[in-house]
Amino acid sequence: GAGVSQSPSNKVTEKGKDVELRCDPISGHTALYWYRQSLGQGLEFLIYFQGNSAPDKSGLPSDRFSAERTGGSVSTLTIQRTQQEDSAVYLCASSLAAGGAYNEQFFGPGTRLTVL
Amino acid sequence: AQSVTQPDIHITVSEGASLELRCNYSYGATPYLFWYVQSPGQGLQLLLKYFSGDTLVQGIKGFEAEFKRSQSSFNLRKPSVHWSDAAEYFCAVGAQGSQGNLIFGKGTKLSVKP
Repeated sequence: GAGVSQSPSNKVTEKGKDVELRCDPISGHTALYWYRQSLGQGLEFLIYFQGNSAPDKSGLPSDRFSAERTGGSVSTLTIQRTQQEDSAVYLCASSLAAGGAYNEQFFGPGTRLTVL
Repeated sequence: AQSVTQPDIHITVSEGASLELRCNYSYGATPYLFWYVQSPGQGLQLLLKYFSGDTLVQGIKGFEAEFKRSQSSFNLRKPSVHWSDAAEYFCAVGAQGSQGNLIFGKGTKLSVKP
């Protein structure tokens, strides 16, 4: 079956612009995760959804970052007024359910964001 | 705070040689531990995971890892490396609490010499 898909694969934007990154999880997966992979920093957890709700938003690096999930499926990560330090690869993952990390997370190929 | 340390940023091995990638974690309870591989331009693929039981776990592509509680380590091993194993490898621990997010190390890049 189809895996996790993300769009766009690459996004180049100018500093100060808003961007939207999209994640389409595996069908039937109720848990969805966003991570950021910055050069030399490894992967950093941003936010997690169980269904449409995000119980914990503490991983978002600033109030310029927001995310939503509608219909328990597609999720959008929005970065407002982008800064150069936002340049990174944004990875999305989904799993059958949350309730512990023992549910395998399946990762998408990521969106590479470059802020000029 | 939970954390994962991968001490080696970059490792080069010859094809056919054995491989060990190091991972140390800091966690307050019995951890859920994972190794992922990321090939260039690809997403992360799960190699193996440890939740409980036998401390030596087998994964895909001939990889194995051993959980050593006394050393807070979960090192990844492969007896004979293939050129296609060249990639970046990430060790991760499952976060405490129910949300299940992963805390990753910074990764080890593996290069394979012919």
